[in-house]
Amino acid sequence: AQSVTQLGSHVSVSEGALVLLRCNYSSSVPPYLFWYVQYPNQGLQLLLKYTTGATLVKGINGFEAEFKKSETSFHLTKPSAHMSDAAEYFCAVSGYRNDMRFGAGTRLTVKP
Amino acid sequence: NAGVTQTPKFQVLKTGQSMTLQCAQDMNHEYMSWYRQDPGMGLRLIHYSVGAGITDQGEVPNGYNVSRSTTEDFPLRLLSAAPSQTSVYFCASATLPSNEQFFGPGTRLTVL
Repeated sequence: AQSVTQLGSHVSVSEGALVLLRCNYSSSVPPYLFWYVQYPNQGLQLLLKYTTGATLVKGINGFEAEFKKSETSFHLTKPSAHMSDAAEYFCAVSGYRNDMRFGAGTRLTVKP
Repeated sequence: NAGVTQTPKFQVLKTGQSMTLQCAQDMNHEYMSWYRQDPGMGLRLIHYSVGAGITDQGEVPNGYNVSRSTTEDFPLRLLSAAPSQTSVYFCASATLPSNEQFFGPGTRLTVL
């Protein structure tokens, strides 16, 4: 079975600062890993995904994440935060059975 | 393409009532799933389906039934609603094997 732990339920950064959202996973099979973003009162939108191949994955809106198998991590970063990045972010993992497991989410606040 | 659609957007039920949440997708995706989202708990998988006629349980299946008679539709049934089922429900679909899931806009359900 798969599981995800997101470290920090709330993260606050200043506009222009580095964004780092942490995600650790557990999986008994090679994982597929995802980051989704949810804006208030909306559904989830895919930011980026790792399936196989290159471990540094680039997504939309300037976000990227690196798959580190030895650390079982898939942290999300963005070099410079923008006010429009304020949202809730979810890390997720799935395996061969295709049932996806989500972390509890991290709410990102961006201060002007 | 409409993507993934869900109806209704909002619903209030009394304890013991039954209802069906509708979900449809027009992307010919094999995989469909239902999640519930509760504060601080992320999204939890209720049921999923890898094709017409095939369904399976997720993390929190109790109190919910599903069926998949067509590729397009995946309704979620609450047979006897309980206050613990107050939540926001999301339907999603995916093409296999990438499992990149596309989410509907959600249904906010309140059980009194």
